[in-house]
Amino acid sequence: NAGVTQTPKFQVLKTGQSMTLQCAQDMNHEYMSWYRQDPGMGLRLIHYSVGAGITDQGEVPNGYNVSRSTTEDFPLRLLSAAPSQTSVYFCASSPVRTGGGETQYFGPGTRLLVL
Amino acid sequence: GDSVTQMEGPVTLSEEAFLTINCTYTATGYPSLFWYVQYPGEGLQLLLKATKADDKGSNKGFEATYRKETTSFHLEKGSVQVSDSAVYFCALRGLGAQKLVFGQGTRLTINP
Repeated sequence: NAGVTQTPKFQVLKTGQSMTLQCAQDMNHEYMSWYRQDPGMGLRLIHYSVGAGITDQGEVPNGYNVSRSTTEDFPLRLLSAAPSQTSVYFCASSPVRTGGGETQYFGPGTRLLVL
Repeated sequence: GDSVTQMEGPVTLSEEAFLTINCTYTATGYPSLFWYVQYPGEGLQLLLKATKADDKGSNKGFEATYRKETTSFHLEKGSVQVSDSAVYFCALRGLGAQKLVFGQGTRLTINP
């Protein structure tokens, strides 16, 4: 199993450009999510999905779109990049069960710089 | 809403020192609690977890006990190594929720 994979590893954008951050997992996990990591602020949830065709907003959704057409893939779209979106982005996945202790598995991250 | 507060970093220790990183939380009911570790240039990895009060999670010499009475989940290790240098995140998942709520992270540096 490759686990959770993310591409690209690093990207530089100009203000106003658009791009898609890719995330894929091969563990058949229903739950997938996107976080951004900024210094001193921990990880903040952007969007999440509990299954194909179902998405919802997290703590900081503005400026980002997501869709979930398959169980495996959960791309994050920036429609018009802004310098405030400079960050490290992590995708994560986990099974959806009721026990609460399910581990979330994280990808290696995408470092995004918006000029 | 649910929240997690970690001790401020950075923390710098000498090899073989005792480590404590404090974590307290606010949540309704009985959340599940986690410690994640992020090594330089990598994503987050689960270090340990506990799903009910008085449970102790342990892994790689690290331990944390779920204390309902003090709403705490402090991370401890008896003798740290240079290889433990990383950023440590405390997190919770509320009862019935899928989302993780993270603390701000604590950067730990171990000097030889």
